[in-house]
Amino acid sequence: GAVVSQHPSRVICKSGTSVKIECRSLDFQATTMFWYRQFPKKSLMLMATSNEGSKATYEQGVEKDKFLINHASLTLSTLTVTSAHPEDSSFYICSARDMGDSPLHFGNGTRLTVT
Amino acid sequence: AQTVTQSQPEMSVQEAETVTLSCTYDTSENNYYLFWYKQPPSRQMILVIRQEAYKQQNATENRFSVNFQKAAKSFSLKISDSQLGDTAMYFCAFMNPTGANSKLTFGKGITLSVRP
Repeated sequence: GAVVSQHPSRVICKSGTSVKIECRSLDFQATTMFWYRQFPKKSLMLMATSNEGSKATYEQGVEKDKFLINHASLTLSTLTVTSAHPEDSSFYICSARDMGDSPLHFGNGTRLTVT
Repeated sequence: AQTVTQSQPEMSVQEAETVTLSCTYDTSENNYYLFWYKQPPSRQMILVIRQEAYKQQNATENRFSVNFQKAAKSFSLKISDSQLGDTAMYFCAFMNPTGANSKLTFGKGITLSVRP
């Protein structure tokens, strides 16, 4: 089945630094990938939709200058948390779709801790 | 906009018993997809079952089945012969299939605990 790889699984960074999270579709091409944020025991909140070769579409309330998304190829999307603050600490999950109406496949998530 | 409601925050079931998780949704669309995802403590999102709205027959996957009531906009998940490995958060999700950018809208989730 379709596999989505997300890296790193855990990262700790200091306030003010930037962190990059990678999301790769390993055995299929994904023209669209999605980035979610999840707080403990809460639901997944969609942050943005990442489209290969074009600008990402951000959900209302998500700062696009803080959460930079790049989808440079059909198998890779990256999320960069810039000038991280402790309140950015969270679990970030990416997902990708193989074909237009197929279910989303999720990465294993990244636990970000900002100290 | 579509909304997905899971009103039960948590449930508990005895191993080998059957449990039903509730989900309702609101949409003006006629064609759409509904999903149940499982998120165990590892936090990996796992697709449990999928239902196309145009199909009247309820989807089943081994011990998992749904009761899809389109008119009532209800989509409950039944887990038969519950196993300890079923302990997880379960999310009901809606998708309007308008193409590759179709987004999933998730409910708040329910924490299911299976007791030995």
